[in-house]
Amino acid sequence: GEDVEQSLFLSVREGDSSVINCTYTDSSSTYLYWYKQEPGAGLQLLTYIFSNMDMKQDQRLTVLLNKKDKHLSLRIADTQTGDSAIYFCADYMDTGRRALTFGSGTRLQVQP
Amino acid sequence: GAVVSQHPSWVICKSGTSVKIECRSLDFQATTMFWYRQFPKQSLMLMATSNEGSKATYEQGVEKDKFLINHASLTLSTLTVTSAHPEDSSFYICSARGQQNYGYTFGSGTRLTVV
Repeated sequence: GEDVEQSLFLSVREGDSSVINCTYTDSSSTYLYWYKQEPGAGLQLLTYIFSNMDMKQDQRLTVLLNKKDKHLSLRIADTQTGDSAIYFCADYMDTGRRALTFGSGTRLQVQP
Repeated sequence: GAVVSQHPSWVICKSGTSVKIECRSLDFQATTMFWYRQFPKQSLMLMATSNEGSKATYEQGVEKDKFLINHASLTLSTLTVTSAHPEDSSFYICSARGQQNYGYTFGSGTRLTVV
């Protein structure tokens, strides 16, 4: 089945850029998402990218998609302490049960 | 924007009792709702998919008689954990999808503790 993988942990200093990486296995993914989860909370949609796009920018967030390598990244510019959370990438395929498949999550720690 | 309300936020129950979790889409019609389970420091595992007015589709390994899902209207789905045991303790999150394919909206989650 579909597999989505992420590195588990990333630590950066406040003001630096953070880059969180994700790889997926199914080339028929239609949309790819980034979600943020703070402790004890649900998931907040940060951004998404359609599979025929290479890049999407939304304020401090930049998503890059390399469809050939099945690699997705999320760059957070000027990282703040409030960005500390777990970030999940997820992909969606327009077939089957049409549910999202999540990566394991990357814990981002921002140090002052 | 799309909002999904999930209640309760946390619940503690005794072994053997049943617990019902509600998931409501507040400002859109959710044609499909999803229920996930999340163990500490782990990812979300899909339990089941429910479409309004039809039976839920459960993922492999999820007991449908234990985790009862009802999606009676386009704005409400419920998950009932029946005869709960301590191993059912977990964080349960619902997600709703409207007409468009993007922007799955998640509830705030329910932390279930069975003692």
